[in-house]
Amino acid sequence: AQKITQTQPGMFVQEKEAVTLDCTYDTSDQSYGLFWYKQPSSGEMIFLIYQGSYDEQNATEGRYSLNFQKARKSANLVISASQLGDSAMYFCAMREGREYGNKLVFGAGTILRVKS
Amino acid sequence: NAGVTQTPKFRILKIGQSMTLQCTQDMNHNYMYWYRQDPGMGLKLIYYSVGAGITDKGEVPNGYNVSRSTTEDFPLRLELAAPSQTSVYFCASSYPDVEGRGTEAFFGQGTRLTVV
Repeated sequence: AQKITQTQPGMFVQEKEAVTLDCTYDTSDQSYGLFWYKQPSSGEMIFLIYQGSYDEQNATEGRYSLNFQKARKSANLVISASQLGDSAMYFCAMREGREYGNKLVFGAGTILRVKS
Repeated sequence: NAGVTQTPKFRILKIGQSMTLQCTQDMNHNYMYWYRQDPGMGLKLIYYSVGAGITDKGEVPNGYNVSRSTTEDFPLRLELAAPSQTSVYFCASSYPDVEGRGTEAFFGQGTRLTVV
């Protein structure tokens, strides 16, 4: 069974507008972590934001925020005031419990294109 | 700090050849990982290590081998290269936080491998 699902293969957003990238996950663990990474066309993986399953507040990092809905098992990334430089592939990933080695499982990604 | 360094950045192999992808990190991280990313897809875990001398298989280990003789280095060996191993390979490292939960993974720049 797929553990991380990103249902939007591609998204467009107008510059300066906000955009939400969807991520749902599947786990039976009570303790887990959710991560978002950005991969620009140059190929590197850039860490954006982290949400722990026991964190009561939604995580925020600058223009990035994570809309965490635990009961629905969703961890959507919200980018406010989109910029042209936000055009990239975005990956949602999960670390399950205190699993040996803290391995990350990745979704298939969403390509975001910001229009001027 | 250089972070996670991978070499080479690009390589073309002929079917049946072997090679080693090098990975080194200078952050004293216990955990290290090798992922592969096929075109338009997310990352899949090949092998991981929780410390020097300890390695284990990930989701897609066939055709690969690893070793971890030091904290810093985690080379990935491809034996008898096949076209199916054409991919981008990422090395990453992370560490457990004070509560034993995983932190974000720090990634190298990637190695683009083509097997012809």
